[in-house]
Amino acid sequence: AQTIHQWPVAEIKAVGSPLSLGCTIKGKSSPNLYWYWQATGGTLQQLFYSITVGQVESVVQLNLSASRPKDDQFILSTEKLLLSHSGFYLCAWMGGGYAEQFFGPGTRLTVL
Amino acid sequence: GDSVTQTEGLVTLTEGLPVMLNCTYQSTYSPFLFWYVQHLNEAPKLLLKSFTDNKRPEHQGFHATLHKSSSSFHLQKSSAQLSDSALYYCALSPNNRIFFGDGTQLVVKP
Repeated sequence: AQTIHQWPVAEIKAVGSPLSLGCTIKGKSSPNLYWYWQATGGTLQQLFYSITVGQVESVVQLNLSASRPKDDQFILSTEKLLLSHSGFYLCAWMGGGYAEQFFGPGTRLTVL
Repeated sequence: GDSVTQTEGLVTLTEGLPVMLNCTYQSTYSPFLFWYVQHLNEAPKLLLKSFTDNKRPEHQGFHATLHKSSSSFHLQKSSAQLSDSALYYCALSPNNRIFFGDGTQLVVKP
């Protein structure tokens, strides 16, 4: 069975500090991977997606970047956090083609 | 382009009454349609997925019928429960991408 992990579970960071969020999927080779952001009380906003290692497509950047260093890993980062980065970050995978997405448990980020 | 429209941002109803959440879509393909449910402080989970034939998917008392003629995939339930209170997303997947609607917050009151 496939499992998806996100780290950290929660983070409190200062404005202007760097950030790195991670996502790992086990039990699935070559998954399509996705990053989403959700403001508190807001709707899902797709940020990035990746179909293969080393390739990332941007949907909405929000002063963030993403990388896929390994087949099973997807990283979201920024060098300088803004207050507006606060929210719930979700990683998801898709089996490829016409398939549903499965979400990780998410990382809750608070920027002060 | 591909898009999903959920016209209601908030639906409030009394326990025991029927539920209908609207979803219409635009796509140049024949996509799969999905409903996801997100409870407070949790990640979204798949609720329903459309079939390619005329089967009507059902889960947890919810069902949805894909009407290609009207490009709709409305979510329905005959009797709402308090535990149905959540954020519901309609989504479509024409290929490797997936497009979510803005979501409908369902609040069920006693």
